[in-house]
Amino acid sequence: EPEVTQTPSHQVTQMGQEVILRCVPISNHLYFYWYRQILGQKVEFLVSFYNNEISEKSEIFDDQFSVERPDGSNFTLKIRSTKLEDSAMYFCASSELGPAGDTQYFGPGTRLTVL
Amino acid sequence: AQSVTQLGSHVSVSEGALVLLRCNYSSSVPPYLFWYVQYPNQGLQLLLKYTTGATLVKGINGFEAEFKKSETSFHLTKPSAHMSDAAEYFCAVSVRGNNRLAFGKGNQVVVIP
Repeated sequence: EPEVTQTPSHQVTQMGQEVILRCVPISNHLYFYWYRQILGQKVEFLVSFYNNEISEKSEIFDDQFSVERPDGSNFTLKIRSTKLEDSAMYFCASSELGPAGDTQYFGPGTRLTVL
Repeated sequence: AQSVTQLGSHVSVSEGALVLLRCNYSSSVPPYLFWYVQYPNQGLQLLLKYTTGATLVKGINGFEAEFKKSETSFHLTKPSAHMSDAAEYFCAVSVRGNNRLAFGKGNQVVVIP
């Protein structure tokens, strides 16, 4: 069964460094998403992406974040200058269609630790 | 904005007993409702969802949930817990015109032999 994959599974970085989290969505899906979960808190929506542009973003997704689909398979989340509070589990998801109600398929997550 | 409340972060259930996980939502427009399960070191997997139509929804692994508009609820049940049901369960809501899922805090289910 097709699945969303994410690399790396764990990332440790120093405060102020840039990190890139990578995701390979399911191949025929058109919509891509990033969510994060800070330890002990809810899973929070960051951004959705369709047709090579951001379709929706949350208030969390500020100028330090960016997303990109550099080729036909990868979808990346870049954090330019990491802060301690960016430590979280980051989940990538994809869906075949965009309208609310369509199933979003999630990857296993990347645990980011900022020291 | 829509939101979800899941009470009780940890839920213990005996093997063979009823599993009941409560989910209440807040939305000013008709919601789409989801239950996801997360096993250790894995991604969130869809258990079931309600979009329109029948309010009792059956999902994988013997789980089901009922959408009750009057109670703004979408509780998840399974008649008989199995050891393999030990996992974290998340309720989520979205609405038409908005792709984002809003999640509850999750319930960590422990199954006692």
